[in-house]
Amino acid sequence: ETGVTQTPRHLVMGMTNKKSLKCEQHLGHNAMYWYKQSAKKPLELMFVYNFKEQTENNSVPSRFSPECPNSSHLFLHLHTLQPEDSALYLCASSQEDTEAFFGQGTRLTVV
Amino acid sequence: AQRVTQPEKLLSVFKGAPVELKCNYSYSGSPELFWYVQYSRQRLQLLLRHISRESIKGFTADLNKGETSFHLKKPFAQEEDSAMYYCALDRNTNAGKSTFGDGTTLTVKP
Repeated sequence: ETGVTQTPRHLVMGMTNKKSLKCEQHLGHNAMYWYKQSAKKPLELMFVYNFKEQTENNSVPSRFSPECPNSSHLFLHLHTLQPEDSALYLCASSQEDTEAFFGQGTRLTVV
Repeated sequence: AQRVTQPEKLLSVFKGAPVELKCNYSYSGSPELFWYVQYSRQRLQLLLRHISRESIKGFTADLNKGETSFHLKKPFAQEEDSAMYYCALDRNTNAGKSTFGDGTTLTVKP
């Protein structure tokens, strides 16, 4: 599949669980991003990776841990989350001077 | 700090009517502005960016630095324009690092 692919599409986890979100892009882009989209807040940028190096962390709690093993893959490791972390998590990628291409997101519910 | 404001959460118009989705921003530097759209059950995607000066699907947006606005306009709305629209501002040329507004849900009624 071309574009940006996120798995799983839906995830329900308990507060003591550890889970990971995966994002893959087949566009040859060198930058990847994690955004959080919740019902009451606009899209919030969480992390930015350029050429596999993390270049931005927008004061995200340590219970969210990103990993970028190569320029095509991005993970978000989740550990001891809170119910308020329930949201749609969007991955995006871009090349310099191009727009962001978004995945369809992972709908996360923390119970 | 940069900020994007979309004052209308919901906007409803009839088919064929003009539509304007408002966006105001605050940023001390030279902004780069975008409109993204999310149709039902589809992913968020770019609609247009101000530096392109393009008309996409009949939509246009003009950057007004004096009023710090980037309103999205279309003279004749269509039902397929119903979607969620986000205005976004980027502080550099990397389009992924954008600050988004809260979004406006546009409904075009038949």
